[in-house]
Amino acid sequence: AQSVTQLDSQVPVFEEAPVELRCNYSSSVSVYLFWYVQYPNQGLQLLLKYLSGSTLVKGINGFEAEFNKSQTSFHLRKPSVHISDTAEYFCAVSESGGSYIPTFGRGTSLIVHP
Amino acid sequence: DTGVSQNPRHKITKRGQNVTFRCDPISEHNRLYWYRQTLGQGPEFLTYFQNEAQLEKSRLLSDRFSAERPKGSFSTLEIQRTEQGDSAMYLCASTPWGISSGNEQFFGPGTRLTVL
Repeated sequence: AQSVTQLDSQVPVFEEAPVELRCNYSSSVSVYLFWYVQYPNQGLQLLLKYLSGSTLVKGINGFEAEFNKSQTSFHLRKPSVHISDTAEYFCAVSESGGSYIPTFGRGTSLIVHP
Repeated sequence: DTGVSQNPRHKITKRGQNVTFRCDPISEHNRLYWYRQTLGQGPEFLTYFQNEAQLEKSRLLSDRFSAERPKGSFSTLEIQRTEQGDSAMYLCASTPWGISSGNEQFFGPGTRLTVL
């Protein structure tokens, strides 16, 4: 069975600083990986996804993530954050070849200070 | 706006009452998912439909929960005899099922349920 671990429940950072949100997964088969963002009182919105090919994936709002199969990680990065990036970020994994139902991590709250 | 919509956005009910939520997916999406999200947690899978067929249900979906998707369009999630532990955000998502999409989820804004 697949699982996702987001090691940091909260990440405070100053505006214009770089940030990395960590995600590790566990699965015995090939996986698809996703990062979603959730703003207060809203549903989740896809930031980026890895299905295959290049391990460096670029998404919306200047975010990118790198798939590392040997370390079973899919960390999210942004070189310079804005106040508007303050939100909850969720990593998700789904196993290819099955029902593709995603499993979500517990989320990381990114708090950007001025 | 052609995104996923959910109604109502908020529902406050007393313990023991029945509630029903509605989800309207993106029209060309054939898969529809229901999730529950509690404070400080990610979405937890409840059930999903492919067109009108309910293909999988989570162990979280007790006998008090039932979901339908008549004619493969909108879906309803009903909770009977609500309990305080049912208080959560209920999220609906749809997807244009196909391996090329990786089952990317398009979420609605959610229905927040509070059981008093």
